[in-house]
Amino acid sequence: GDSVTQMEGPVTLSEEAFLTINCTYTATGYPSLFWYVQYPGEGLQLLLKATKADDKGSNKGFEATYRKETTSFHLEKGSVQVSDSAVYFCALSHNQGGKLIFGQGTELSVKP
Amino acid sequence: GAGVSQSPSNKVTEKGKDVELRCDPISGHTALYWYRQSLGQGLEFLIYFQGNSAPDKSGLPSDRFSAERTGGSVSTLTIQRTQQEDSAVYLCASSRDTSYNEQFFGPGTRLTVL
Repeated sequence: GDSVTQMEGPVTLSEEAFLTINCTYTATGYPSLFWYVQYPGEGLQLLLKATKADDKGSNKGFEATYRKETTSFHLEKGSVQVSDSAVYFCALSHNQGGKLIFGQGTELSVKP
Repeated sequence: GAGVSQSPSNKVTEKGKDVELRCDPISGHTALYWYRQSLGQGLEFLIYFQGNSAPDKSGLPSDRFSAERTGGSVSTLTIQRTQQEDSAVYLCASSRDTSYNEQFFGPGTRLTVL
């Protein structure tokens, strides 16, 4: 079945450092890919998405590119802030039904 | 506008008791999803509704779990004869419809089975 694998956390960075969180997937067909974020004490919220190969999703300085050849959707940010500290989830869904299949989550901690 | 709401926010129950968890989706959203977030299993899909019908119940862990949706709006997830392994945060999400890509999540219900 479909699955998503993320790099394990926790990831600890200093403010203004470069961030990469790796995400790879296994799926039939052409799923849509997502990054969701869960800030401390808050609910899950969509960070960015891409619906087809070579699409780049971006939001709040974060970017991820849908790479079908490597089945990857790595999350990047050029300069992280303390406020980016959260748990990040990579996910996929197929248009039929739309249920999300999540990776295990990566906790990011940014120190001043 | 109002987001997805869930109640109760916290529920502590004794092993063997039944519990009901409620989800109020965003008004007008026809698709509704239930997920479970636990330390050992991460975020798992349980069931989704399109309108009042549930085309995919494949994530329900056992026949102790059931869900219904009425009036195309409120949904209730029922767990019968709760076990300690049912302890988790139960998340509800809604979407305009099942072909729309963004799901909006509620704050969750934290269930603790003693």
